[in-house]
Amino acid sequence: DAGITQSPRHKVTETGTPVTLRCHQTENHRYMYWYRQDPGHGLRLIHYSYGVKDTDKGEVSDGYSVSRSKTEDFLLTLESATSSQTSVYFCAIRTLRTGANQPQHFGDGTRLSIL
Amino acid sequence: SQQGEEDPQALSIQEGENATMNCSYKTSINNLQWYRQNSGRGLVHLILIRSNEREKHSGRLRVTLDTSKKSSSLLITASRAADTASYFCATVQNTGFQKLVFGTGTRLLVSP
Repeated sequence: DAGITQSPRHKVTETGTPVTLRCHQTENHRYMYWYRQDPGHGLRLIHYSYGVKDTDKGEVSDGYSVSRSKTEDFLLTLESATSSQTSVYFCAIRTLRTGANQPQHFGDGTRLSIL
Repeated sequence: SQQGEEDPQALSIQEGENATMNCSYKTSINNLQWYRQNSGRGLVHLILIRSNEREKHSGRLRVTLDTSKKSSSLLITASRAADTASYFCATVQNTGFQKLVFGTGTRLLVSP
């Protein structure tokens, strides 16, 4: 158990509203990631963070912003939600042990529906 | 863009049989990883194979990597009903940020 909690687990909202998803970790890992999962696409990287206040864009970052003001929390914000952002969102962390090749550990996801 | 394509998209077998899933990718990689996802849950890491490795084992799992063909396979031997899940390959091009690029996945159904 990598100690990852995503909240909320489910959310239904309307087009045009702001939405913030939270990823919380308890083990002080440096690297955190946000993915979205859609049928036929697998998982795609939205944004990632390599430290407090250090973030960068992934493959599908348009319409999303992130913030990491403390190590344990990585927030994903949809400033003005659109129906195309209906998806399941996963947070992941990567442990940083010796050696560069380390797997990622995933939370259980947030199912977001935008009507 | 998706890095990996997985084949087959769906696979249905009986308990005790072996299951083989294939993954092809497009660019050079540092490592390739396989993950399992049970319905409604997050992904769980199964095995990582580096680009200079050709085969790796973990319990009932066997992974091969052919960098000349840009392909990998995951073999699950003596499958069990509990192996029912979706399986994804993911590639890492650079070790720095370890950004994973996922394939589209194979849905495996193991019937008792």
